[in-house]
Amino acid sequence: DSGVTQTPKHLITATGQRVTLRCSPRSGDLSVYWYQQSLDQGLQFLIQYYNGEERAKGNILERFSAQQFPDLHSELNLSSLELGDSALYFCASSVVSSSPEAFFGQGTRLTVV
Amino acid sequence: GQQVMQIPQYQHVQEGEDFTTYCNSSTTLSNIQWYKQRPGGHPVFLIQLVKSGEVKKQKRLTFQFGEAKKNSSLHITATQTTDVGTYFCAGRYGSSNTGKLIFGQGTTLQVKP
Repeated sequence: DSGVTQTPKHLITATGQRVTLRCSPRSGDLSVYWYQQSLDQGLQFLIQYYNGEERAKGNILERFSAQQFPDLHSELNLSSLELGDSALYFCASSVVSSSPEAFFGQGTRLTVV
Repeated sequence: GQQVMQIPQYQHVQEGEDFTTYCNSSTTLSNIQWYKQRPGGHPVFLIQLVKSGEVKKQKRLTFQFGEAKKNSSLHITATQTTDVGTYFCAGRYGSSNTGKLIFGQGTTLQVKP
């Protein structure tokens, strides 16, 4: 168990809909990353937050948005969903100051039908 | 933009053979990390390399960071069936701890017993 919690584990929704994925980082971790992993694909970096502020952006679509709240949990909002958005969405957190690694949650598997 | 290329995408080896995966970045990295993702699992941190020309070993795994801090490799000696999974490199750009963490496409290793 990495200590990073993602909910829900699975999500099935229809095209055009909007969903929210939730991530609770490890206790004390200030940095949160979101990644998208499609079938047989690598981990596409979406966005990073550090202590509530957006730190870096990757290939995140305009239909997607994220935020990190004062209690450091983060949400990834996906709207106007398309079939191609079906993927595994990972959240990772890191403590920054004392250890280099990112700890990954179990992921949310999103299926758009 | 910042991109990490990783090859090969797939590698099938006989148990006992060696395995190597390579990563290359178009621009200089602050550091590079390696992760392993077992089938159905989430990425798990293996190691971080920071210094130019650095070499680190973990049992049968040898990690190298290039002199220019743009490329890296992971070599597994005498593979075992427990080595099966996808190995990702992740390049850190910008700040050594808070910069973007960009993952390569991964190399999926299959080991035949």
